[in-house]
Amino acid sequence: GDSVTQMEGPVTLSEEAFLTINCTYTATGYPSLFWYVQYPGEGLQLLLKATKADDKGSNKGFEATYRKETTSFHLEKGSVQVSDSAVYFCARRRGNQFYFGTGTSLTVIP
Amino acid sequence: DSGVTQTPKHLITATGQRVTLRCSPRSGDLSVYWYQQSLDQGLQFLIQYYNGEERAKGNILERFSAQQFPDLHSELNLSSLELGDSALYFCASSVVGDNTEAFFGQGTRLTVV
Repeated sequence: GDSVTQMEGPVTLSEEAFLTINCTYTATGYPSLFWYVQYPGEGLQLLLKATKADDKGSNKGFEATYRKETTSFHLEKGSVQVSDSAVYFCARRRGNQFYFGTGTSLTVIP
Repeated sequence: DSGVTQTPKHLITATGQRVTLRCSPRSGDLSVYWYQQSLDQGLQFLIQYYNGEERAKGNILERFSAQQFPDLHSELNLSSLELGDSALYFCASSVVGDNTEAFFGQGTRLTVV
């Protein structure tokens, strides 16, 4: 069936460290893929998306590339900031349904 | 601002009671989704409506029900509340189309005491 698996947290990094949060999906066809971010006390906000294979989504220094061959959509950022501390959710869409990963909590320390 | 409005923002109620959470989707979005987020847990999909009709059901308890009205706003009704129902409840909306994202409201924090 449809599912999204993402790296379990929590993840703690020092400021300016490199971030990778892994996300893989199972699907038939070519789903659209998303990364959402949830800051403390807030709702989910779209961070970036990719709608077809080899697309790269990017926003606020974050990037993720839609890899069809490995069914992955890993989130990366070259240099994290304290303000990036949040929970990150990987998601995919098939038709009218969204499938979310379990979320990865990131804490960035100064 | 996502354009999705949820009310109320906070709700405190006693066990056994019934509450109604309200969601106004973004203008033009026909699909509304409800999710539950408990402490230290991910998003649990509850139910989806599309243009007034139920389209998909997730892990929604029988004590919970929802509907979408002709003006497309949606309500989630939670009854016979238990302590374990304390959670954040999110509403999201989207347009039809595989490439589009869902837009989330700020959530309603329900505390059952």
